[in-house]
Amino acid sequence: GAVVSQHPSWVICKSGTSVKIECRSLDFQATTMFWYRQFPKQSLMLMATSNEGSKATYEQGVEKDKFLINHASLTLSTLTVTSAHPEDSSFYICSARKNVVYEQYFGPGTRLTVT
Amino acid sequence: AQSVTQLGSHVSVSEGALVLLRCNYSSSVPPYLFWYVQYPNQGLQLLLKYTSAATLVKGINGFEAEFKKSETSFHLTKPSAHMSDAAEYFCAVSDPSNFGNEKLTFGTGTRLTIIP
Repeated sequence: GAVVSQHPSWVICKSGTSVKIECRSLDFQATTMFWYRQFPKQSLMLMATSNEGSKATYEQGVEKDKFLINHASLTLSTLTVTSAHPEDSSFYICSARKNVVYEQYFGPGTRLTVT
Repeated sequence: AQSVTQLGSHVSVSEGALVLLRCNYSSSVPPYLFWYVQYPNQGLQLLLKYTSAATLVKGINGFEAEFKKSETSFHLTKPSAHMSDAAEYFCAVSDPSNFGNEKLTFGTGTRLTIIP
């Protein structure tokens, strides 16, 4: 199998606070994980590519200081939304690439609501 | 640069009828192509993928797609729709030469509704 989990599944926070979202590959090692953002009824937009042991690669227009990504182990990547604002409210989805296999496995997503 | 166009943001079919979801791609290199399904408030599940082998690809849940280079298309079909097929479907493309750092570019999605 290739199972990816995310925690939490839903989080509500106040404006100005920071929120951490975890992405774990449960039964395989993933040197590369991806973070996507999905607005209601829209497609997924790649935010950044996370590589184990190195700095993440951010897509154009994504603020790296606002969306901190840490890929500390082969099974865990975290996304921290710093100083969150209501416009950061969205559905955040991660995926993990199984080594050698050209395929991404997606987590169930985390819904962030900033009040 | 790569892009994907999904024609029809909403498609409705009757239960038991043919499902056809359209996807056209643009790519400067031979692409890899994917179809994903998303149920409400969930992540994406891979239905099938084309990686330069057979042009007719069979996936899970009875879905299949055919890669047509001349038409730059990768349409998704299922002979007989089931109520459980109601979901959002995304077509995606990636550049296989960028192995290890491949990025998926998604289409805007097609919401499939099944009419009882």
